[in-house]
Amino acid sequence: DTGVSQNPRHKITKRGQNVTFRCDPISEHNRLYWYRQTLGQGPEFLTYFQNEAQLEKSRLLSDRFSAERPKGSFSTLEIQRTEQGDSAMYLCATPSGTSPVENTEAFFGQGTRLTVV
Amino acid sequence: DAKTTQPPSMDCAEGRAANLPCNHSTISGNEYVYWYRQIHSQGPQYIIHGLKNNETNEMASLIITEDRKSSTLILPHATLRDTAVYYCIVSAGGTSYGKLTFGQGTILTVHP
Repeated sequence: DTGVSQNPRHKITKRGQNVTFRCDPISEHNRLYWYRQTLGQGPEFLTYFQNEAQLEKSRLLSDRFSAERPKGSFSTLEIQRTEQGDSAMYLCATPSGTSPVENTEAFFGQGTRLTVV
Repeated sequence: DAKTTQPPSMDCAEGRAANLPCNHSTISGNEYVYWYRQIHSQGPQYIIHGLKNNETNEMASLIITEDRKSSTLILPHATLRDTAVYYCIVSAGGTSYGKLTFGQGTILTVHP
């Protein structure tokens, strides 16, 4: 158990439906990352937050995707009008460092596996 | 961040040392080498990281060549539970600290 909790662990949805995932990070970690992992590939960066501010978004994050981190605590990732290509594992991670000069480990949640049928 | 090259798969006998290589020939002076692993259906797990000196912790040892263009992760006594995908990642940290660029990794299979 890394201390990073993701819910739900599995989600099956019909194409066109909206889904929302939640990540509860380690409380004292002020940075939070979202990654997506498709079968047989390594995780790919989607977006990250410094406290409540979303500082960077990957081009993988289409306008159907939105992420929030209200009050710099938990984060949500919403996908609107899901497509079959959205089927993947969605991972949340928080690095243990608190400043840019630190090179430290990142703690990952167990992920949410999304299947769009 | 610099790119890394790893063999797609490796085998190891239980109880023996597993030596996983990684090439990072374009690594910059301020970039660290990180190793993570991912056991099936779980999130990646941090193993170890280093800049230029060799590093050891309770999980593994990291050997970085003097020119820093390659490194080797050593699991000294592999067990069946070490079967996983191992990722070698190079990251400079800085303002994007914590951002990791994963490749496809090495699938390590430990067999009895």
